[in-house]
Amino acid sequence: GAGVSQSPSNKVTEKGKDVELRCDPISGHTALYWYRQSLGQGLEFLIYFQGNSAPDKSGLPSDRFSAERTGGSVSTLTIQRTQQEDSAVYLCASSPVAGSDTQYFGPGTRLTVL
Amino acid sequence: GQQLNQSPQSMFIQEGEDVSMNCTSSSIFNTWLWYKQEPGEGPVLLIALYKAGELTSNGRLTAQFGITRKDSFLNISASIPSDVGIYFCAGPNSGGSNYKLTFGKGTLLTVNP
Repeated sequence: GAGVSQSPSNKVTEKGKDVELRCDPISGHTALYWYRQSLGQGLEFLIYFQGNSAPDKSGLPSDRFSAERTGGSVSTLTIQRTQQEDSAVYLCASSPVAGSDTQYFGPGTRLTVL
Repeated sequence: GQQLNQSPQSMFIQEGEDVSMNCTSSSIFNTWLWYKQEPGEGPVLLIALYKAGELTSNGRLTAQFGITRKDSFLNISASIPSDVGIYFCAGPNSGGSNYKLTFGKGTLLTVNP
């Protein structure tokens, strides 16, 4: 079946602009996660969604970052007033059960802020 | 916070050689996960370990959960060119949030045909 998909695959933006990154999880997966991967680094947890529960936003680096998940499926990560240090690959993952350590990752969106 | 230290940072080997990489932490992990990431792709889970001392294989890959719960290693036998990629260890943060994974910085593996 289809895996996690993300769009766009690449995004180049100018400093100060807002960007929206989209994630389509695997159908039927209840949990959705966003991670950030900076060059040469491991993945950094950003946010977790599970069903209708309040999301765990504890990993978001600043209030310029926000995310929503509509209808328990598609998720959008929004970065407002982008800065150069926001440049990274943003990865989305989903899992079939709540709070699972077995997470299936999408290919990521490579964000470049000029 | 919790940190995972992976070594070596990179490896350049000949096809057919065996590979060993490890992951250590100053704090205890109750689960160890090994992921592989290829260029332009997201990480793919290779092996999950849930019990201290556990030794698990997946084809040519073998991983072990250290007895101290503070380390894990991954071995790849008879490497082939498609083994190229970055290998990450990961584990859930302490405090009950199994989904909040901590990742190491990865070991970059290059296999020369």
